[in-house]
Amino acid sequence: SSELTQDPAVSVALGQTVRITCQGDSLRRYYASWYQQKPGQAPLLVIYGKNNRPSGIPDRFSGSSSGNTASLTLTGAQAEDEADYYCNSRDSSGNHVVFGGGTKLTVL
Amino acid sequence: QVQLQQWGAGLLKPSETLSLTCAVYGESFSGYYWSWIRQPPGKGLEWIGEINHSGITNDNPSLKSRVTLSVDTSKKHFSLALSSVTAADTAVYYCARGGTTVTTTWFDPWGQGTLVTVSS
Repeated sequence: SSELTQDPAVSVALGQTVRITCQGDSLRRYYASWYQQKPGQAPLLVIYGKNNRPSGIPDRFSGSSSGNTASLTLTGAQAEDEADYYCNSRDSSGNHVVFGGGTKLTVL
Repeated sequence: QVQLQQWGAGLLKPSETLSLTCAVYGESFSGYYWSWIRQPPGKGLEWIGEINHSGITNDNPSLKSRVTLSVDTSKKHFSLALSSVTAADTAVYYCARGGTTVTTTWFDPWGQGTLVTVSS
């Protein structure tokens, strides 16, 4: 399968913890990477590989994986974390890249 | 710190060819795959394809061979051509550096994005 499935929308109370998930058969073989996108901006990489954060990404962002599901966990959500979040991985063939449909995170 | 800067025509008529170029600053061109990704207005991200410094490419089968990727290593540029565009190709197009290991692929950084509108 070449699809990655994300919940369209998730909400979290300020300061609480939220998990955003990404499901797909290719995730049994590949780790997901995660991107944050705010309106009018290019996506920003926040997690890649098993659980790697690029320089400058706060440590409240973390990644994990189990079976066909990858998760992005935000521990202690801040107002500035309100954004769309996308996952990606290689597809099962390894030759192409697939993205999830995105999750809109609302911080209440 | 690597930066990507992209440019190209923003308004096309149906059946024309979309052409975008991305310049890489502050980083070696080799050792990475360089990708194009697009985002239709209000929708999600779609990977278009990738090319490395040797010209080896992969592209999205859903685009039905309309994609041509090229690279100019002397200028540290890579380019996208998408033929026979329709309104469905209207999107913000991004270039991005792709990192890949055996187990993961990521994109960082991204270009600023170019809105391409297809309209008669």
